[in-house]
Amino acid sequence: IAGITQAPTSQILAAGRRMTLRCTQDMRHNAMYWYRQDLGLGLRLIHYSNTAGTTGKGEVPDGYSVSRANTDDFPLTLASAVPSQTSVYFCASSEGGIPDTQYFGPGTRLTVL
Amino acid sequence: GIQVEQSPPDLILQEGANSTLRCNFSDSVNNLQWFHQNPWGQLINLFYIPSGTKQNGRLSATTVATERYSLLYISSSQTTDSGVYFCAVEGGSGNTGKLIFGQGTTLQVKP
Repeated sequence: IAGITQAPTSQILAAGRRMTLRCTQDMRHNAMYWYRQDLGLGLRLIHYSNTAGTTGKGEVPDGYSVSRANTDDFPLTLASAVPSQTSVYFCASSEGGIPDTQYFGPGTRLTVL
Repeated sequence: GIQVEQSPPDLILQEGANSTLRCNFSDSVNNLQWFHQNPWGQLINLFYIPSGTKQNGRLSATTVATERYSLLYISSSQTTDSGVYFCAVEGGSGNTGKLIFGQGTTLQVKP
């Protein structure tokens, strides 16, 4: 069982380019999440989805979009990357309901120049 | 929104020592989780503990919801315990999984 996979592992991107970070889980979890981790700021929630077909905004959604066409996949898109989006991005999933233990993917390190 | 403060920010231990990490939060919570981020960046869920006490091997956690704090105990620490420990909470009555993370406690265990 792979759990949660993220791709790419790392990426260097020119400012203004479009980028999609991929996240796939094989645990049939209902809920999925995207976080960014920045030094000194901890982890912050970007977007979430409690079930396939629905999405919601987290703490820092600006500049990002998500979709949840099916249970397993939750891609995060940067429409026009800016240097402030340089970060490590983590995808997570949970069954939903109670208890709502979250499980994290290995992360994607993104650098926007 | 809810504020989460962790202490101490940094901790250095000798292998075999015990430690207590603290998480204070500013409002009532119905979802509190502790995570360990190892030196390679992987985040592992340690406990889901909005109230009460749980134990898992050398680790245990207690949340006193009425006093708005949670404690993570590490006994007989090992070098593999090194990394950053995060507390994360969701405030209010909902349970959507929208966690707010503290800044973390960085633990270094020396052999």
